[in-house]
Amino acid sequence: SQQGEEDPQALSIQEGENATMNCSYKTSINNLQWYRQNSGRGLVHLILIRSNEREKHSGRLRVTLDTSKKSSSLLITASRAADTASYFCATDTLTGGGNKLTFGTGTQLKVEL
Amino acid sequence: DAGITQSPRYKITETGRQVTLMCHQTWSHSYMFWYRQDLGHGLRLIYYSAAADITDKGEVPDGYVVSRSKTENFPLTLESATRSQTSVYFCASSEGARGKLFFGSGTQLSVL
Repeated sequence: SQQGEEDPQALSIQEGENATMNCSYKTSINNLQWYRQNSGRGLVHLILIRSNEREKHSGRLRVTLDTSKKSSSLLITASRAADTASYFCATDTLTGGGNKLTFGTGTQLKVEL
Repeated sequence: DAGITQSPRYKITETGRQVTLMCHQTWSHSYMFWYRQDLGHGLRLIYYSAAADITDKGEVPDGYVVSRSKTENFPLTLESATRSQTSVYFCASSEGARGKLFFGSGTQLSVL
């Protein structure tokens, strides 16, 4: 079974709205990462949050991490049509033996004009 | 251009044939990875390598072979392709043991 599970599986919003995606995981982590994948392309790293961090910002992205609930959220503010993509969380577990990231199944975000 | 490149971009083969997917990176990253992406499963790790001549199995290694004689190359071979290996394959690299991954554009493989 997947270490990370994203919720919702699909999300459709209007341009300018905020988009929130959630990720839950099962085992203790060293860090959690979020990636974006445009259709037919490889994944692109967005942000990394360490287990001792609670919140991190990068431009219009805000990531939170709650290790007690084993969950993370990705917020994209003021969304644009170009944000349309699939978003994946990936966990680097403490027992993973070094950078063997485990990816969730992703959230498909569609931003409509 | 610098980066991580995969070839071919698309490949169609028949069951039982041997297929090799190529991956080349220009950053001299120590770590390299092969993932497969299937609907409903996300990305699953096939094999990874921490350095030249050091490789290890991931979550789904059966039916695949890797080698890493040079830091910059990490080919993935399907020894006898099966239909269940129809998938999109991504190669990735990272500089350190717990950092971000850089992905190639993927190889879409169809096994008929």
